[in-house]
Amino acid sequence: SAVISQKPSRDICQRGTSLTIQCQVDSQVTMMFWYRQQPGQSLTLIATANQGSEATYESGFVIDKFPISRPNLTFSTLTVSNMSPEDSSIYLCSVGVGRTSEAFFGQGTRLTVV
Amino acid sequence: AQKVTQAQTEISVVEKEDVTLDCVYETRDTTYYLFWYKQPPSGELVFLIRRNSFDEQNEISGRYSWNFQKSTSSFNFTITASQVVDSAVYFCALSQNTGGFKTIFGAGTRLFVKA
Repeated sequence: SAVISQKPSRDICQRGTSLTIQCQVDSQVTMMFWYRQQPGQSLTLIATANQGSEATYESGFVIDKFPISRPNLTFSTLTVSNMSPEDSSIYLCSVGVGRTSEAFFGQGTRLTVV
Repeated sequence: AQKVTQAQTEISVVEKEDVTLDCVYETRDTTYYLFWYKQPPSGELVFLIRRNSFDEQNEISGRYSWNFQKSTSSFNFTITASQVVDSAVYFCALSQNTGGFKTIFGAGTRLFVKA
């Protein structure tokens, strides 16, 4: 299993600003994933963050808007840049652990852009 | 391609009724994993079950049971004798070897259990 700490748990931000979300895992993991859950919607994968390489972004998501860092095997950050109200969502960090690849999730960051 | 379909957007039942949540998946991989997660109104994601593609045994855990059928690419979830606390959004999810086991989620089914 894996315990994931995500910070901040929630924030209210002004449009045009940027927010960096931190994800800390209690064990070394190869793959970390960032998801977005817009209000009333399912979870959508933003990108896969591998240590030592560039993040791989899903269709519809770009690095300029969602830059990701992965400096080591236990930590990653996601930045939501130049925010607009449409970015108001829950952002979740996830890791895949073990051969079963069960996905463990952080508590999420509830972002409101005003 | 990797896809999860939960055709039921919302289901409403009366307490003590049984309810089945449907999940149909698509994958070209022979090795994959299926999951169910619960998201109560508080917002956190709660892991319920994982099934790998080589294990078609159905599973029962208390009031919960899961029916995995590869022939129909389905992984349905049944709650027996539903309770108000079961009210939540339930997500079916799939991860496969191709793509590094990233998890793809269905749209979710919102379950309302009325007293």
